Amino acid sequence: KAGVTQTPRYLIKTRGQQVTLSCSPISGHRSVSWYQQTPGQGLQFLFEYFSETQRNKGNFPGRFSGRQFSNSRSEMNVSTLELGDSALYLCASSLGTIRLETQYFGPGTRLLVL
Amino acid sequence: TQLLEQSPQFLSIQEGENLTVYCNSSSVFSSLQWYRQEPGEGPVLLVTVVTGGEVKKLKRLTFQFGDARKDSSLHITAAQPGDTGLYLCAGGTGANNLFFGTGTRLTVIP
Repeated sequence: KAGVTQTPRYLIKTRGQQVTLSCSPISGHRSVSWYQQTPGQGLQFLFEYFSETQRNKGNFPGRFSGRQFSNSRSEMNVSTLELGDSALYLCASSLGTIRLETQYFGPGTRLLVL
Repeated sequence: TQLLEQSPQFLSIQEGENLTVYCNSSSVFSSLQWYRQEPGEGPVLLVTVVTGGEVKKLKRLTFQFGDARKDSSLHITAAQPGDTGLYLCAGGTGANNLFFGTGTRLTVIP
C-alpha cells in the first residue's frame, strides 16, 4: 500500500506570494490533517479535513486555508506569504472514523520564504 | 493552547546506554502518543497510551502515561545507533488533531 505523498517536496517563494501544497492520502483514508513544523514552534496543527469538510481547525490566521476533494486528496494554500511561514508542512492521513486511530504522515513539503 | 514540554531537548549518548525522555503538560489529555521522526521524513507513530498509569513495552522501549494523564515518559534500554532521531510526544483530545511536544533530539554514538 502506497504511503502518504506530498508535492512538491521543496519550494522557494518570496514574501507576498501565495503557495499551494498537495497531499495524497493512503488509499481508503478519508481524513487528512495538516501540520506546520518549525524549529522554534515545533509541530503545530493547522486543520483537518474529512469527507471534503473542514472538521477541526488550529490557531492559524486566515491566510492558511485548505480543501479536500472527493478522492480525499487535499490541498493547502497560504496567501500573502511572510518570512515566518518558512517551515516543513506535513500532512497526515487516517481513516477518520474512530478516535485514537493512527495518523500516517507524509515526508512533508519544505517551504522557504525569502 | 495545550503545551507539552519535553526534556531534555538534546541528548547524545553512547551505544548501549539507557535513557529517559520526559513529556510534561499542565493539561489533561485523553491519549498520549510517541513518534520518532528521521531527517527528510514525517513522524512515525511508536505507541499510543490511553489510560492513566498505563505502561507499554515495545522491545527496548518502555512508555508510561502519568496517573493524571498530564505527563509521559519514554525509556530506552541499551540504545542503538538506529534509535537516533527526533522523538515527539503528542497529546490527543478526542478530535483528530494532536498537540505535539517540543521534541527531543537523540543521537546514539556507535
